[in-house]
Amino acid sequence: TQLLEQSPQFLSIQEGENLTVYCNSSSVFSSLQWYRQEPGEGPVLLVTVVTGGEVKKLKRLTFQFGDARKDSSLHITAAQPGDTGLYLCAGALLSGGYQKVTFGIGTKLQVIP
Amino acid sequence: EAQVTQNPRYLITVTGKKLTVTCSQNMNHEYMSWYRQDPGLGLRQIYYSMNVEVTDKGDVPEGYKVSRKEKRNFPLILESPSPNQTSLYFCASSTILDSNQPQHFGDGTRLSIL
Repeated sequence: TQLLEQSPQFLSIQEGENLTVYCNSSSVFSSLQWYRQEPGEGPVLLVTVVTGGEVKKLKRLTFQFGDARKDSSLHITAAQPGDTGLYLCAGALLSGGYQKVTFGIGTKLQVIP
Repeated sequence: EAQVTQNPRYLITVTGKKLTVTCSQNMNHEYMSWYRQDPGLGLRQIYYSMNVEVTDKGDVPEGYKVSRKEKRNFPLILESPSPNQTSLYFCASSTILDSNQPQHFGDGTRLSIL
């Protein structure tokens, strides 16, 4: 059973469309990170959200942390082909004196020109 | 340039032949970790290390060993590889995780065990 449920797993959209990716859990996280991974490379951090209700913007990407710190969303406005990639959410939980990070399965996004 | 370096990037080998995947970071990070990434299962943690000579099991440690003799290196050892260990492996490093710092990932090692 995945601790972090990420949806959708696959998304194929036309350039210019908007989209939202969701990351849900029954656990409360101390922070949640979003990464983007391109083929042949490792994940690269996009943003970290820490406070419940927090909203962060990175150009056309908007990240929100749920009020209860159990869920998060990533919204992309006017998607571009360069946004194509695998988007991963990762929740940090305090466990045994350190923060254990658990990753969602990922959302594979394809933006068609 | 700050980076995590894994070697080799690709390896095809046979069942039972011991192999080591090296990982080195130049950021003086205390925390290092190994993950495997499989379709439909995402990134799963194999082992992690909080500092030199301190290692612990992650979620899927069976069939793997690690060591942390130096701060910068964290090799992953498969003593007797089996086909179910065919996967894409990532090494990552970070400052102490309780500061909400991101993990820096290597570019991955694709292992095929025949």
